[in-house]
Amino acid sequence: GQSLEQPSEVTAVEGAIVQINCTYQTSGFYGLSWYQQHDGGAPTFLSYNALDGLEETGRFSSFLSRSDSYGYLLLQELQMKDSASYFCAVRDQVTGGGNKLTFGTGTQLKVEL
Amino acid sequence: NAGVTQTPKFQVLKTGQSMTLQCAQDMNHNSMYWYRQDPGMGLRLIYYSASEGTTDKGEVPNGYNVSRLNKREFSLRLESAAPSQTSVYFCASKPGQGHETQYFGPGTRLLVL
Repeated sequence: GQSLEQPSEVTAVEGAIVQINCTYQTSGFYGLSWYQQHDGGAPTFLSYNALDGLEETGRFSSFLSRSDSYGYLLLQELQMKDSASYFCAVRDQVTGGGNKLTFGTGTQLKVEL
Repeated sequence: NAGVTQTPKFQVLKTGQSMTLQCAQDMNHNSMYWYRQDPGMGLRLIYYSASEGTTDKGEVPNGYNVSRLNKREFSLRLESAAPSQTSVYFCASKPGQGHETQYFGPGTRLLVL
């Protein structure tokens, strides 16, 4: 089975940098994804790491260390609109392209003035 | 492109009633998924369809059935609803092998009394 751990809440100030950590224990691992979800909304894809290292997409970066079963999402130049829940998700390797995701319970980020 | 659409948006059922949640995508994606999300929780996979003509169980399949009607449509059926199935249900789709992004619909909010 899979289990993922993330902090339940993080609070930061507008303009600051925040890091949301994710540790996982899995029976099979193919990659780590991050999704953002605003209250009442649908999750939206942010990033994916299959290999160790840092992936950067604008203000957001994601890091993976496979040997430590650990990853994080880094948000820079925080804006009020970044207030949302952030989920890490582990991909199982499934044949035929239909990869399954197991999601963490999410980190609620509150950005304050 | 409408992306992923779900109907209905809201539904109230009595215990024992049945209903079908509809999902359609117009992006020509191969893979489709059904998740449920309970308050303060991450998404849990109910069923998925890696490609047209195939369906497989996810993490929490009990009490549900699915049909991949064609490449566009993937429905979720509750044969005899129970209060424990009160949740928000999200459908998602993914292009296929080599693509990591899952695209989510707006969700169906279901209350079982």
